[in-house]
Amino acid sequence: KNQVEQSPQSLIILEGKNCTLQCNYTVSPFSNLRWYKQDTGRGPVSLTIMTFSENTKSNGRYTATLDADTKQSSLHITASQLSDSASYICVVSPYNGAGNMLTFGGGTRLMVKP
Amino acid sequence: ETGVTQSPTHLIKTRGQQVTLRCSSQSGHNTVSWYQQALGQGPQFIFQYYREEENGRGNFPPRFSGLQFPNYSSELNVNALELDDSALYLCASSPEAGDNEQFFGPGTRLTVL
Repeated sequence: KNQVEQSPQSLIILEGKNCTLQCNYTVSPFSNLRWYKQDTGRGPVSLTIMTFSENTKSNGRYTATLDADTKQSSLHITASQLSDSASYICVVSPYNGAGNMLTFGGGTRLMVKP
Repeated sequence: ETGVTQSPTHLIKTRGQQVTLRCSSQSGHNTVSWYQQALGQGPQFIFQYYREEENGRGNFPPRFSGLQFPNYSSELNVNALELDDSALYLCASSPEAGDNEQFFGPGTRLTVL
C-alpha cells in the first residue's frame, strides 16, 4: 500500500528560527513529490514540485530536498515568520501518468511564536 | 487565490440527510478532483472527473457520487450522511487528467450532527 509518513506531527518554533520537516514515502515508482502549505480551514497551496530526478528546489524561504534512493524528502524553512504557521503536507504522485491517485501525508502542524 | 471556488463555505446537516457540494474549476482546467480531509489529517482522494467522466475513485462507498458539467464545474453528492462524514471537502482542478499540478479551492466544512 502506498504511504506517505510525515514527521514531526507538530512543531513549535520561535520567529526567526529555521526548521526542517520530514517526509518518508513508500510510493514506487513515483512521478513527483509535492509540498503544500495549508492554513487552517483553507485549501492547500503548492510550495514546490520535484520530479524523481531533482534533488532540491527552492521557493523563497522554503527549500525542499529529495532523495529518491531512500525515499525521503525534507522541507526546510529559513528565518521563520508568524505567517508560516500552518500545516505542511507532503504529497506523492505515483508513476501512472494519471495524476488521479495522489497520496497525501498527514501533515506537520507548524506554529511560529513571537 | 487559485481561482477555484467552492460553495457553500460551511454546512450543517443531520445524520441520514443528503448534501450537494459545488466546485468551479480554474479557467482552462478540465479536470476536477475531490478530497475529504478529517480534522488533523491529510486529504483522502474521493474521485476525479475528467471531461465529464469519472477518472479514478478512491476508497469511498457508492453513497459518495459526483458529476461534472460541460463547463467543467463539478458537484459532490453524499447520501445517507453519517457522523464520520464531518470533514473539510476540498476540490482541486488541473489543466488535464495527467500528472499536473492541482490547484485547490478553499474547501467546504461539513458538519453532520
